[in-house]
Amino acid sequence: DAMVIQNPRYQVTQFGKPVTLSCSQTLNHNVMYWYQQKSSQAPKLLFHYYDKDFNNEADTPDNFQSRRPNTSFCFLDIRSPGLGDAAMYLCATSRLGTGLPDQPQHFGDGTRLSIL
Amino acid sequence: KNEVEQSPQNLTAQEGEFITINCSYSVGISALHWLQQHPGGGIVSLFMLSSGKKKHGRLIATINIQEKHSSLHITASHPRDSAVYICAVEGYGGSQGNLIFGKGTKLSVKP
Repeated sequence: DAMVIQNPRYQVTQFGKPVTLSCSQTLNHNVMYWYQQKSSQAPKLLFHYYDKDFNNEADTPDNFQSRRPNTSFCFLDIRSPGLGDAAMYLCATSRLGTGLPDQPQHFGDGTRLSIL
Repeated sequence: KNEVEQSPQNLTAQEGEFITINCSYSVGISALHWLQQHPGGGIVSLFMLSSGKKKHGRLIATINIQEKHSSLHITASHPRDSAVYICAVEGYGGSQGNLIFGKGTKLSVKP
C-alpha cells in the first residue's frame, strides 16, 4: 500500500507557467519534506514542514513555495518555472518529537517535472 | 569536501557476488540512513542505524561511530539489486530529521 503518494508521476509545463505538485500521506507523520533531485545528483532539500511550522532552506529560490493545508497533504508550487527547474521532485514524511517513537523518512515515488 | 562521501561511485558485479558499499562522514550525527533508488523511481529506506549492525535478509548495514564510517553489504547479489544506493546522515537537535546525502553508488548486477 502506497503510504506517501505523489501526483502526478510526470508533469510537463511551459516556461513561466505556474505548476503545483502534490503529496499526500497515510502515515500521520508530523514532518513533510520536499526535495529536488537533478539527474545523477543527490536530492537537495528545498523546505520542510514540522507540524505547521514551515522551514525554508537558505538557498531555496523564492520561486518555490509550499503549502500544507492539513497533516495529510503538502503542495509544492513553482511560480514561474525555468528550464533549470526540470528535475525529479521527491516528497518525504517522518515522525519526530511527538512522544511516539521517531520514524525515518518515507519517500514517495517522485514527480518528474519537464519544462517546455 | 562533501560531508558525506561514498565509494565506489559505480560498481558492476556478477550475480551471486558479495557487494560492499562504503560511506564516510565528517559531521556529528544522530543516525545514518541507507536508501535505495531504482532508475526513474522514488527512494526506499533500507536502514536507519546509530550503532552496531542491522540485517534485513541479504542486506547488512554496519556503522562505526568512532571512525565515522558505515558499510552496506549485499550477499548473493541479484540483478534486481541494481539501483543507486545512497548514504545519508541525520544531525542533532535542530538538524534532526534533515538528511545530508552522499552522491550515491550506482550498482549494476549482471546475470
